[in-house]
Amino acid sequence: QSVLSQPSSVSGTPGQSVTISCSGSSSNIGSNAIKWYQQFPGTAPKFLIYSHNDQPSGVRDRFSASRSGTSASLAISGLQSADEADYYCAAWDDSLNGWVFGGGTKVTVL
Amino acid sequence: EVQVVDSGGGLVQPGRSLRLSCTGSGFSFGDYAMIWVRQAPGKGLEWVAFIRRQTHGATTHYAASVRGRFIISRDDDKSVAYLQMNSLKTEDTAMYYCSRAGSNYDPGWYLFDPWGQGTLVTVSP
Repeated sequence: QSVLSQPSSVSGTPGQSVTISCSGSSSNIGSNAIKWYQQFPGTAPKFLIYSHNDQPSGVRDRFSASRSGTSASLAISGLQSADEADYYCAAWDDSLNGWVFGGGTKVTVL
Repeated sequence: EVQVVDSGGGLVQPGRSLRLSCTGSGFSFGDYAMIWVRQAPGKGLEWVAFIRRQTHGATTHYAASVRGRFIISRDDDKSVAYLQMNSLKTEDTAMYYCSRAGSNYDPGWYLFDPWGQGTLVTVSP
C-alpha cells in the first residue's frame, strides 16, 4: 500500500489529453515539492517534471505538473504512442522522514 | 554527459552480504547527495538510503525496511557511492537504482536525476 495514491491505469487516444492524479497528505504533497518520473518497460525511471507551489509551475514539452493542497496531477497533452509508460509521483514526507512514492500509473494509448 | 552507472548486483543467499557501487561522471560528484532506490519485480519504487554531500556532513538516512542492515557511503575522490547490504532477506530481491539526488541540504528539493541503469539483486536459498 503506497503512501501516495495514484490510479493504476489511464488511457486515451492519440492527440487526447490525459491526467494522472496523485493524492497524499499535509506531510508530503502539502509541504514539499512533488516529482514525477517516467519509466518504460525494462528501463530505469527518468525524471520528468516537478511542481512545488499551488501555481502551475512545471511544464516540459507536452507534460505539465501542478499541485493543489494535498493533491498533485500530471497532465499529458497531445498523447502519443511514445508516451506509453508507467508514471510515478514522489515527495519527501516530513512525518516519515523519508520519500514516499505513488504506486505508479500505466498510461495506455488506444 | 551527466551519468551514473550501477554495478555489483547478483544472486546471494539469505543472510549473506553484497556491496553495490554507483559511479558518477559528467558532474562534480562531491557536490551532490546520492540515493539508492529499489524496485521489486512487478512492483513500484521504494527509496532505500541516501547520503548528503560532504559539506553537508555526509549524513545518511535509511528506509525503515533496511535500517540497521544496509550502509550507504561515498568516496568522492573516486566519484563512487556504495551500498553495503548485510543480512539480506528474500524480500530485498529487487532492481537497485542509484541516482544523483540533489545539491541542497533539504531532501525535499532533491529531484533524482539522472538514474543509473539498475543492478539486479536476487536473494534466494
